[in-house]
Formats: sequence, C-alpha cells, structure tokens
Amino acid sequence: AQSVAQPEDQVNVAEGNPLTVKCTYSVSGNPYLFWYVQYPNRGLQFLLKYITGDNLVKGSYGFEAEFNKSQTSFHLKKPSALVSDSALYFCAVRPEVFSSGSARQLTFGSGTQLTVLP
Amino acid sequence: DVKVTQSSRYLVKRTGEKVFLECVQDMDHENMFWYRQDPGLGLRLIYFSYDVKMKEKGDIPEGYSVSREKKERFSLILESASTNQTSMYLCASSLFEQGARGNTIYFGEGSWLTVV
Repeated sequence: AQSVAQPEDQVNVAEGNPLTVKCTYSVSGNPYLFWYVQYPNRGLQFLLKYITGDNLVKGSYGFEAEFNKSQTSFHLKKPSALVSDSALYFCAVRPEVFSSGSARQLTFGSGTQLTVLP
Repeated sequence: DVKVTQSSRYLVKRTGEKVFLECVQDMDHENMFWYRQDPGLGLRLIYFSYDVKMKEKGDIPEGYSVSREKKERFSLILESASTNQTSMYLCASSLFEQGARGNTIYFGEGSWLTVV
C-alpha cells in the first residue's frame, strides 16, 4: 500500500523568502506524485505533478517541486514567497502502473499549513 | 475549463436523516471519487467509480453508499447520518487510464456537512 508523509503540520516563512514544503512517499514501483493547494473553504487546486522525465517539475503560481528517488521525496518549493501563498498544501502519490481498481486513487498526506508573514 | 460542481456547499442535517451529496462533472471523465477531509487526517477516499453503475470501496466506506447512474453524476449517500460524519466532503474526477499516464484528478469546491 502506498503512503505519504508531510512531516510539518505548519510552515511559517517571511514574504520574499524561499519556501519549502516537505513530502516523502512510499509506493510499489515508480511513483506518480502530485501537489495540491487548498484555500480556506475551497476545494483542492492542482499545482503540479511528476510523472517521468526531469526531476525538477514546474507548476502553477511559480511553484516547483523536486523529485528525489533515492530519498523518496518530492518537496515543494518557491524562490520567493507571497502572502497570497498562505494556504493548506497536500502532497499525493499513486503507483505508475496498477493491476487493481483500488490503486487508481491518490493517497494524500495530512497536509501542511503554509503561512507567509508580511 | 475543468468543472466539478458540488450542488450543496453547506448542509446541516439531523442524526438519523438520509443525506444526499450530489456531484456533477462536465469533462466526460470516466473516474469519479468521493473523499472526506478532516483536520490532521488529510483526505480519505470513501468510494470511487470508474464507469456508470460501477463502484469500488475506498478506505472508509462504512456508513456511506454511492450511486452513478449517469457518467457525469456521482452521488454520495449517508443512509442514516451520525455526528461522526460531520466533515468536509470533496468530489473529484479524472480521465480513465490505461497504462502509465498519471492523469490529474480535479476537485469540486467541497460540501460542508454538519450532523446535529
């Protein structure tokens, strides 16, 4: 069974500073990895995903994530944080190939609340 | 643009009531999902469907059922609502995959259900 760990419940960063939201995963075979963002009282919005290819993936709103297979990590990064980036961030994983319907789903981490301080 | 619509954003129901949460997507997606979101627990899959009239249990199906009579519509049913089902419910959809494609799952805005 696959799993995702987001080790930090809360991340605070000053506006203009770089930010990192951490994610590690466990999955059989090659992973597909996703990041989503959730603003208060809203659904989840897709940010970016890693399927194959370059380990550095660029996504929406200036975010990027680095896939590290040896460390089984997929950390979300942004060079310069904005106050408007404050939100709840979810990492998710699923296996590349599945043989049963149950593996079609994404498995989500518990979420990291990012607060960017002005 | 991708659109997943959950008809009810906020609901308050009494214990024992039957509750229907409706979800419609306009992207002709084969897969549809119902998740439950609780603080500190992330998102947990209740049920998903990969075709009309087809469904599979997720991680926490107890106390829930689903219906998919049309491709675009996926309903979550609480047969007899209980206070521990007070939560945020998220519907999602994605294209069917054969082999390795990693299709993105798109989410609705969520339905806040309070059971009193």
